Amino acid sequence: KQEVTQIPAALSVPEGENLVLNCSFTDSAIYNLQWFRQDPGKGLTSLLLIQSSQREQTSGRLNASLDKSSGRSTLYIAASQPGDSATYLCAVMGAGGTSYGKLTFGQGTILTVHP
Amino acid sequence: NAGVTQTPKFRILKIGQSMTLQCAQDMNHNYMYWYRQDPGMGLKLIYYSVGAGITDKGEVPNGYNVSRSTTEDFPLRLELAAPSQTSVYFCASSRGLAGYNEQFFGPGTRLTVL
Repeated sequence: KQEVTQIPAALSVPEGENLVLNCSFTDSAIYNLQWFRQDPGKGLTSLLLIQSSQREQTSGRLNASLDKSSGRSTLYIAASQPGDSATYLCAVMGAGGTSYGKLTFGQGTILTVHP
Repeated sequence: NAGVTQTPKFRILKIGQSMTLQCAQDMNHNYMYWYRQDPGMGLKLIYYSVGAGITDKGEVPNGYNVSRSTTEDFPLRLELAAPSQTSVYFCASSRGLAGYNEQFFGPGTRLTVL
């Protein structure tokens, strides 16, 4: 059974800092990995999708990497801003076993960027 | 495109009542999913469908039922609501299982069972 873990559970940083959010997964048989942002009381916004054959994806100040063999992904946020404050969720789409075709989520990292 | 839409946005149920959460997508996606999110937690898969007429259980299916009669709609039925079903429910869809296919999420339904 696929399990996804995100570290840290919460992070508080001053504005302008570069930061890294971590995601690990137990089964490397995946189609892709997605990073989502969730604001309080809101739905999920897709930030980046990395296919299993890719190593990284970039969008603006965000960069996500994937090391499928070691079961790890990182989300790098450059020059953080108060508007980046949200919960960040990592999810993997299974490509084998009981996780086939299913998205398994981590529990999220709550990010607070203070001015 | 409206994407994935969900109704209602909020609902309060009494224990033992039933209701249907509606989900629709206009992207002609084959795959549709229902998740629940409890406070401070990630999302857990309830049911999913790979096409009209085909559904299967996810991680937490007990107390729920689904049907998929059309490509566009994937309603979630709660029978005999219990306090443990208090949660936020998200519907999602995707084109298929290729690596480039992301899941698109609806805005969610916040359900409270008292």
